[in-house]
Amino acid sequence: QSALTQPASVSGSPGQSITISCTGTSSDVGGYNYVSWYQQHPGKAPKLMIYEVSNRPSGVPDRFSGSKSGNTASLTISGLQAEDEADYYCSSYTSSSTHVVFGGGTKLTVL
Amino acid sequence: EVQLVESGGGLVKPGGSLRLSCAASGFTFSNAWMSWVRQAPGKGLEWVGRIKSKTDGGTTDYAAPVKGRFTISRDDSKNTLYLQMNSLKTEDTAVYYCTTEGDGYNHDYWGQGTLVTVSS
Repeated sequence: QSALTQPASVSGSPGQSITISCTGTSSDVGGYNYVSWYQQHPGKAPKLMIYEVSNRPSGVPDRFSGSKSGNTASLTISGLQAEDEADYYCSSYTSSSTHVVFGGGTKLTVL
Repeated sequence: EVQLVESGGGLVKPGGSLRLSCAASGFTFSNAWMSWVRQAPGKGLEWVGRIKSKTDGGTTDYAAPVKGRFTISRDDSKNTLYLQMNSLKTEDTAVYYCTTEGDGYNHDYWGQGTLVTVSS
């Protein structure tokens, strides 16, 4: 069982917006602004999409945005495109002995 | 261009040992915090551990499932990160990724991964 809770799957049509949630506790998501999001296509390595809750690395489209409220972080993808179909993972720093925790992952299907 | 290239994966019996390497290029390796993240077949990501830069103490942190069995080290003269895995268990079967770790505990860059299979 993952420390952070994500929905197993979400879907949307091209051009639409979707939001993936990531729920933790005050020891991780709620306590620190160290939430990051990763995109993983099948058979490929993950790619950093969002760091420190809402910052985009260079090269990541501004269709991807991140936010946080309380113990829940969110990744929003607007203007869905076919190439956005992938697995998405959230991660957070945690004050527990594990130091870093990941969510279980969310499979995004673009209909 | 940042490149991380893992090697050393393979098939090993339970209780056995294996050492993974990660050759880094395209950035100042000695200044970087480095991590290992693994992914069991069909499963999610799991942080394994990290090593800080020598200027930040060079200390290591490990996830509970591997603490005492795995050791992370670095050779800054060779721009190489290592993961020594001992007393391997079947549940250690996974693709192991080498990553850089940014200021916000995020994993900026990832290697292509190397598969470790623990089976009799």
